[in-house]
This record gives sequence, structure tokens and C-alpha cells, in this order.
Amino acid sequence: DAGVIQSPRHEVTEMGQEVTLRCKPISGHNSLFWYRQTMMRGLELLIYFNNNVPIDDSGMPEDRFSAKMPNASFSTLKIQPSEPRDSAVYFCASRTLTNEKLFFGSGTQLSVL
Amino acid sequence: GNSVTQMEGPVTLSEEAFLTINCTYTATGYPSLFWYVQYPGEGLQLLLKATKADDKGSNKGFEATYRKETTSFHLEKGSVQVSDSAVYFCALSAQGSGNTGKLIFGQGTTLQVKP
Repeated sequence: DAGVIQSPRHEVTEMGQEVTLRCKPISGHNSLFWYRQTMMRGLELLIYFNNNVPIDDSGMPEDRFSAKMPNASFSTLKIQPSEPRDSAVYFCASRTLTNEKLFFGSGTQLSVL
Repeated sequence: GNSVTQMEGPVTLSEEAFLTINCTYTATGYPSLFWYVQYPGEGLQLLLKATKADDKGSNKGFEATYRKETTSFHLEKGSVQVSDSAVYFCALSAQGSGNTGKLIFGQGTTLQVKP
């Protein structure tokens, strides 16, 4: 079975540019999470969706960040405009609504110069 | 609010040594508790879990017991291997019925095992 698929694996961009990260959850999973990992702050939950509906976006740092889930098999996390402090590894994870086991993608390493 | 605190790393051990990574939590209600492991360049994977007080989760030689009285969920392994080198995350999920809530992670503890 394919796991959670994230793209791109690595992204290098310049400050001020728009960045879009993509995620395909495991088929049949109806809960999707976006996390950000940095050395300083560890693993932070940015937002999560249940049945494509955002449930908690309190972790989204500011208005420059937005996330969408237009259907059950696709989600995006967008940063516009990007800043150097956004540099981190961004993970997408999915699970079913009734099972607490979370499956993570391999992450997107974002570097904003 | 809910939070998880782990011992700071890195933890450096020789092969076959005994491992303990401390984890304590703060939560309202009765959370489920987890240990996740992250190998270099990969996403996190569930290692073990416990859903109620006094439960013991175990997997691949690792164990952790849900201690409500001390709000702890320490990870242990009797004899570590070089292949256990990774970052270990303690996490909790706030109690939910039916639809489960979000996972809150600790900062992570890096384990380095030397041959």
C-alpha cells in the first residue's frame, strides 16, 4: 500500500516567493494533519482536517500560511510570501477518524533564502 | 492545556545498554499516550501506545507503562542496538469518543547507539 505521499521532497526558494506543499493521504483515511518540524520548536501542529473540513487551525503561524483540502485525496499548504524563518521540514500525516494511529509522509524540506 | 515533556538529548549509549527516555504529560481527562520514532530522513512511525492507566505498550523490545499517578510514560528497552539510533517522540491524544482529537508531541529525544 502507498503511504502518505508528499511533494516536493525538497524546496529551495527565495524570500517573498510563494511556496506550495502537497500531500496525498492514505486512501480511506479521513483525517489529515500538517506539522512543521524545526530544531528550535520541535514538532508543531499547524492545522488538521476531518472529512476535508478544517477542524483546528490554531497552530497556523500567521496569515501568510493557508491550507486547503479540496477532496479526500489531496491537500495543500501554501506560504505566501515566504520568509527565511519558515525554513523547516513540513510533514503531512493521515489516519481514520476512529483510529489514533497516525501515518506520516516523508516530509518536505523547505529552505527559504 | 495539554502538553508533553521529554528528557533532553542526545542520549548516547553503547550497544546492549539499557535505555530509558523519560516522558511526562499534562492533560485534562484521560489521554491516550504514544511513542513515535523518526529515523533519519523519514517521517515519524508509531512505535507503541497505551490507552488507559496501567496499560503497557510494547513493540520491538521497547516498552512503556501508562502511569496516571505520576503522569508519566517512560520508554525503556533492555538492550539497545545500533539500528535503534533515531529520534523518539512522546505524544498524547486528548480523550475523544468516536472522532479522535489531535496528537500533541514532545520535543523529541535523539538516541545514538555506538557499537
